[in-house]
Amino acid sequence: KAGVTQTPRYLIKTRGQQVTLSCSPISGHRSVSWYQQTPGQGLQFLFEYFSETQRNKGNFPGRFSGRQFSNSRSEMNVSTLELGDSALYLCASSLYVVSGANVLTFGAGSRLTVL
Amino acid sequence: QKEVEQNSGPLSVPEGAIASLNCTYSDRVSQSFFWYRQYSGKSPELIMSIYSNGDKEDGRFTAQLNKASQYVSLLIRDSQPSDSATYLCAVNIPLGGGATNKLIFGTGTLLAVQP
Repeated sequence: KAGVTQTPRYLIKTRGQQVTLSCSPISGHRSVSWYQQTPGQGLQFLFEYFSETQRNKGNFPGRFSGRQFSNSRSEMNVSTLELGDSALYLCASSLYVVSGANVLTFGAGSRLTVL
Repeated sequence: QKEVEQNSGPLSVPEGAIASLNCTYSDRVSQSFFWYRQYSGKSPELIMSIYSNGDKEDGRFTAQLNKASQYVSLLIRDSQPSDSATYLCAVNIPLGGGATNKLIFGTGTLLAVQP
């Protein structure tokens, strides 16, 4: 069974550009969450999608956005990139959202470097 | 006060010893608690989940939860050099009474098992 697939794995952008990251969840998983990981702040929640609807959003500026498609695949977009956006962006999928006890499975991440 | 707190370490233990990792959380409504292991350059992988007060054992790992004290711990028996990694404590905090897959992570404890 394939795991959570994130693309691209590595990318380099310059300030002011925008970036789109993609996440394909485990087959059958309908919930997708995104996290940003930096050495200083650790893992921080970005947003969560379930059945194409954003259920929760973390404390990030509006430059960070996302969406989920009918096949549960998800994308996140960061516009007007800043140096501080350099991070590992992790996608996690879960079977469903019925209780908070669901286990998240993380993908390998997309490492973004902003120059 | 941070929502989830861990000692950043490094925690150094000799091979074969018991490693004890601790985590405290601030939100009393938290119901689900997770320990993730993250090797350098890799994504987090689930080690243990615990939802009720008491101990939960899985092989060499034991998770302990005390909701009254808002405290979660992870014990690793017979520590091996391959256990050397960062251990992340994560707490699920329901939002508005609804279920969510949003996790609040601690900054992690670096464990080093010395051969």
